[in-house]
Amino acid sequence: DIQMTQSPSSLSASVGDRVTITCRASQSISSYLNWYQQKPGKAPKLLIYAASSLQSGVPSRFSGSGSGTDFTLTISSLQPEDFATYYCQQSYSTPPLFTFGPGTKVDIK
Amino acid sequence: QVQLQESGPGLVKPSETLSLTCTVSGGSISSYYWSWIRQPAGKGLEWIGRIYTSGSTNYNPSLKSRVTMSVDTSKNQFSLKLSSVTAADTAVYYCARVDSGRIWAENWFDPWGQGTLVTVSS
Repeated sequence: DIQMTQSPSSLSASVGDRVTITCRASQSISSYLNWYQQKPGKAPKLLIYAASSLQSGVPSRFSGSGSGTDFTLTISSLQPEDFATYYCQQSYSTPPLFTFGPGTKVDIK
Repeated sequence: QVQLQESGPGLVKPSETLSLTCTVSGGSISSYYWSWIRQPAGKGLEWIGRIYTSGSTNYNPSLKSRVTMSVDTSKNQFSLKLSSVTAADTAVYYCARVDSGRIWAENWFDPWGQGTLVTVSS
């Protein structure tokens, strides 16, 4: 099975900060990597698909990059509504076994 | 705009079967894969499985022996059954559409239902 890890597990940041979250796969997953944002009590929301494609309606301050085993989610200027937990998810496995990273919690410094 | 809504009992006794239904509105259930994903309180996300509108399924091997998914295209609904539940199955259960890109392995979950908490307790 493909294991996903994320770092850091949590971070504290201020409004306006540039934030980078890393996701690593236990084997190459090409660009089959997606990012989600989850706020307390809410369902996850798709931000980025296929490693770097911005989902419609998602602010352009969110961006994704990477391929193979190492990926990053960047928030260029953190806004108050961005304080949340972020998850990566791979879709490379055959037969399908979609796995998520453990999450990165972004809170207010 | 497609919306999903989970429904089903919020309390299930140990050893019994958890049954949930997801109703899709604002669009057709046809020609998509649909998934169930769960999240224990304070923990991460676990993919349970997916079903195509033809009835074809893929399940997480860790749950495969206990999971059954079905689809009713006439009602725009799909369902989850998880048998022999224990306290470890207590979680918020989400349904989601599996959207795809041009390449077969490009799969992501969007949109999601709001989630429903299922507690396993006697």
